[in-house]
Amino acid sequence: DGGITQSPKYLFRKEGQNVTLSCEQNLNHDAMYWYRQDPGQGLRLIYYSQIVNDFQKGDIAEGYSVSREKKESFPLTVTSAQKNPTAFYLCASSSGTFSTNEKLFFGSGTQLSVL
Amino acid sequence: GQQLNQSPQSMFIQEGEDVSMNCTSSSIFNTWLWYKQDPGEGPVLLIALYKAGELTSNGRLTAQFGITRKDSFLNISASIPSDVGIYFCAGQPPSGGYQKVTFGIGTKLQVIP
Repeated sequence: DGGITQSPKYLFRKEGQNVTLSCEQNLNHDAMYWYRQDPGQGLRLIYYSQIVNDFQKGDIAEGYSVSREKKESFPLTVTSAQKNPTAFYLCASSSGTFSTNEKLFFGSGTQLSVL
Repeated sequence: GQQLNQSPQSMFIQEGEDVSMNCTSSSIFNTWLWYKQDPGEGPVLLIALYKAGELTSNGRLTAQFGITRKDSFLNISASIPSDVGIYFCAGQPPSGGYQKVTFGIGTKLQVIP
């Protein structure tokens, strides 16, 4: 089945540590996104990538980094500079900006907590 | 950025009842998406709407793209216990791709058997 796989499901970060969240999709989508979800708030965009080897900052990129070396993979690193990293992180993908009837699909999420 | 108002924020209903929720925006959208999210899981796409006035169904779910392009409605008929969850809308503005999507904060639905 085609879909988006996020791992791990739960992740714990120690102070001063960088952690990486994995996102893999087999939908052959060009565009991929990372969102942060906090209780009582709408999803907020961290980074997005519309094509391999290119990515752009979203609304809350500070303290995060990404790479897009392969079409199917878009890992997110939460760096020690992110002072409030506890949240539910969602990876998403879509076919691409110029596709008709484009849809946005999500992975199952990673819950990051601080020890 | 654009604001999406989703209402109600929560609702308790009896099993078998119909449910209605809506999203409104201060600006127009080209696309409306409706999702359901269970605790600790990712959102699942329920319905996508692409044209003003469009009415689309998915089983017991029906969603409409408002004529003004600033609102959308989701209705669930004959609710069942597995309908429990958080439903949220997302709107894509005319300019830009899905990186410009704005999300509502969700409607928490609880069904009483």
